Amino acid sequence: AQKITQTQPGMFVQEKEAVTLDCTYDTSDPSYGLFWYKQPSSGEMIFLIYQGSYDQQNATEGRYSLNFQKARKSANLVISASQLGDSAMYFCAMREIDGGNNRLAFGKGNQVVVIP
Amino acid sequence: DAGITQSPRHKVTETGTPVTLRCHQTENHRYMYWYRQDPGHGLRLIHYSYGVKDTDKGEVSDGYSVSRSKTEDFLLTLESATSSQTSVYFCAISPGDRESDSPLHFGNGTRLTVT
Repeated sequence: AQKITQTQPGMFVQEKEAVTLDCTYDTSDPSYGLFWYKQPSSGEMIFLIYQGSYDQQNATEGRYSLNFQKARKSANLVISASQLGDSAMYFCAMREIDGGNNRLAFGKGNQVVVIP
Repeated sequence: DAGITQSPRHKVTETGTPVTLRCHQTENHRYMYWYRQDPGHGLRLIHYSYGVKDTDKGEVSDGYSVSRSKTEDFLLTLESATSSQTSVYFCAISPGDRESDSPLHFGNGTRLTVT
């Protein structure tokens, strides 16, 4: 069964606007971690932000924030003030602490294109 | 820079030949991983290692084997390459003391084409 779901089609966003990337997950573990990665066209995987299942506050890292809704099992990434360099694939990932042997499972990704 | 080097960066090989990809880290981290990336599938875990000589299978391990005889090296072997193994292969490490909340750091990938 798919653990991480990213279903949005490719997105175009105007420079300087905010964009939200959806991610829903499926787990029965009470303890887990959620991660977002960016993959630009050059191919490298860049870690952006982390949210723990017990964290009380939504994670933020610069222009990146995570809208964590635990009851709905969603962990949407918000990129504020988009820049041309934000054009990339974005992957949501989850690590289940108890039942997943600490392995990281990835969604299929969201493509974002920032237009000037 | 997480100190991860993958080699080769690109390889073209013929169906039925053995292929070994190497991942080398410079920081003695315990956990290492091999993923493959294919369009429409995201990244899928092939094998991982939690120490020297300690390895386990991921979700797409058929047709692959791994070895870790030293902390710094994690080798992925395709015993007899098939066209379905054409992919981009990423090695990753988990650098934190608490593996649970440590993000993976990735190498730059190996693009393998099986003809």
